[in-house]
Amino acid sequence: QVQLQESGPGLVKPSGTLSLTCAVSGGSISSSNWWSWVRQPPGKGLEWIGEIYHSGSTNYNPSLKSRVTISVDKSKNQFSLKLSSVTAADTAVYYCARAWKVVVAATPIFFFDYWGQGTLVTVSS
Amino acid sequence: QSVLTQPPSASGTPGQRVTISCSGSSSNIGSNYVYWYQQLPGTAPKLLIYSNNQRPSGVPDRFSGSKSGTSASLAISGLRSEDEADYYCAAWDDSLSGLVFGGGTKLTVL
Repeated sequence: QVQLQESGPGLVKPSGTLSLTCAVSGGSISSSNWWSWVRQPPGKGLEWIGEIYHSGSTNYNPSLKSRVTISVDKSKNQFSLKLSSVTAADTAVYYCARAWKVVVAATPIFFFDYWGQGTLVTVSS
Repeated sequence: QSVLTQPPSASGTPGQRVTISCSGSSSNIGSNYVYWYQQLPGTAPKLLIYSNNQRPSGVPDRFSGSKSGTSASLAISGLRSEDEADYYCAAWDDSLSGLVFGGGTKLTVL
């Protein structure tokens, strides 16, 4: 059973950088999956932040692309998120998730089958 | 403002059938698969439907998905109290080159 666990500071100052790590257990980060970050502001909906493959290939939400960096550490079986120049609008529960992403008849199939429990990050001085 | 549009709320009584709609455009629902996630209070989302109408192992057949044009629907039959949750639709968006979600629908079982 694959398990994901987010970790990192729960409080970040405005204009600072949010840094989170997702540790993967019960499976290899070098499998044929993509690894994603999704966030959810308090009382609001879900927002896809971006994803990474074990090769280091990344895709980001265009609305966050200029501030986001996702990296992978295969030796530790984990991947990380950095979000720079944060504001109060970045306050959210941040989830890491494993994604199935394949192309069938030129149509992408992309869904999350395993999620971390989520971690609340508050941006405040 | 979410790219995919869902009603903010829905409700039903135990045993009823309820449907939740999800409206998009030609760049997302119109040309890609739709997915549905269930989020129980205080927990991470759980995959309910993939590829428009496929259920992962373990999801009861009370849950079904459909798609027509640029809209999709999630139907829940035989409503149960444990179905009270937030439901989100999602789809790949070719124009944005990213995954987009609906704003979520809070289902209340009366």
